[in-house]
Amino acid sequence: DVKVTQSSRYLVKRTGEKVFLECVQDMDHENMFWYRQDPGLGLRLIYFSYDVKMKEKGDIPEGYSVSREKKERFSLILESASTNQTSMYLCASTPGGYGYTFGSGTRLTVV
Amino acid sequence: ILNVEQSPQSLHVQEGDSTNFTCSFPSSNFYALHWYRWETAKSPEALFVMTLNGDEKKKGRISATLNTKEGYSYLYIKGSQPEDSATYLCAFAGDGNYQLIWGAGTKLIIKP
Repeated sequence: DVKVTQSSRYLVKRTGEKVFLECVQDMDHENMFWYRQDPGLGLRLIYFSYDVKMKEKGDIPEGYSVSREKKERFSLILESASTNQTSMYLCASTPGGYGYTFGSGTRLTVV
Repeated sequence: ILNVEQSPQSLHVQEGDSTNFTCSFPSSNFYALHWYRWETAKSPEALFVMTLNGDEKKKGRISATLNTKEGYSYLYIKGSQPEDSATYLCAFAGDGNYQLIWGAGTKLIIKP
């Protein structure tokens, strides 16, 4: 069964910490995405990648960076976590032109 | 700014009843409209990807229609069951762009 795996389901971090969220897919998809989901809002795109070592800013990239050194892995980095980054983070991948496959999400709380 | 609206925000439906909800999206530069189901503590799951005006897709008791000229899609659930309780998300893709613009979702709660 194909899947997208996110390393942590729940995470609690302190303000100012550097946070790494990992995402791995086993479907050989070129395209990978990081979203955050907050109550009452649609999924908002943080960063995406069309290929290894490629990254593009989404709608809300401030305070985040990403890394894609291998095709299957797309990491989201919070350089210095802040309380307004408390959210549900979802990783997704797609071969393009088809439905997305999502990870199960990481609920991050920054205290 | 492109906007995708879903209504209603939430919906309580008696088990066995049928229901439907709406996704409104930009009617220009249309490429595809996606529907997903997101159950609590699970990953969002793709239901349909629709590309043609007038298209109708079906998966079990769930079906969807698409009107690209007026910019809306309906999702229908026939004979609702408790396992249908979830948030239903739609997302718009324009101009062959893989980036999706998401609605905020309709939260469906089925009452036994």
